[in-house]
Amino acid sequence: KNEVEQSPQNLTAQEGEFITINCSYSVGISALHWLQQHPGGGIVSLFMLSSGKKKHGRLIATINIQEKHSSLHITASHPRDSAVYICAGPRSYNTDKLIFGTGTRLQVFP
Amino acid sequence: ETGVTQTPRHLVMGMTNKKSLKCEQHLGHNAMYWYKQSAKKPLELMFVYNFKEQTENNSVPSRFSPECPNSSHLFLHLHTLQPEDSALYLCASMDLTNEKLFFGSGTQLSVL
Repeated sequence: KNEVEQSPQNLTAQEGEFITINCSYSVGISALHWLQQHPGGGIVSLFMLSSGKKKHGRLIATINIQEKHSSLHITASHPRDSAVYICAGPRSYNTDKLIFGTGTRLQVFP
Repeated sequence: ETGVTQTPRHLVMGMTNKKSLKCEQHLGHNAMYWYKQSAKKPLELMFVYNFKEQTENNSVPSRFSPECPNSSHLFLHLHTLQPEDSALYLCASMDLTNEKLFFGSGTQLSVL
């Protein structure tokens, strides 16, 4: 069992739909990263958060450290949001050595 | 464009070849990483360099040899690889003040 679990593994949506991707972890993570990987491999960091909620455009990330759970929401989804979304956290406090989830593959159809 | 540049983008090599992957960043970051991404598996951390010093070798076979000559450049030297080493190799750097991570586009490696 991976220490960082994501659900769902695959997700399809119609343009405009509200998307939620979940991340649960079993280790004592102090902060969590959400990453976006497009076909071709390039990875972009979306958020790094240690508490509460962060918003960037149509993307919202929330985290509950006590419950060891984070969610990534996409409002008004668009085909260009199609990508693999990955959550990752440091193995312990004050470390930059990350553990990664297996990713959620999102496809948004027009 | 993330500011982290990797070359080459694609590499095909035989098991007896020696090749090197290059990573470059001029973002002023002092932490650089090599990750391996195999199909259907999470990204795996291979090596960590902080201020040019290797601080992590995540049980990586010696046929992978990293080199960090300065805080802007990171190499991964490859020799006598196996077909199961075929994967996407990603370089990343981190701004340690805010822990924001920047990835290169990766090198898609095929070992024949």
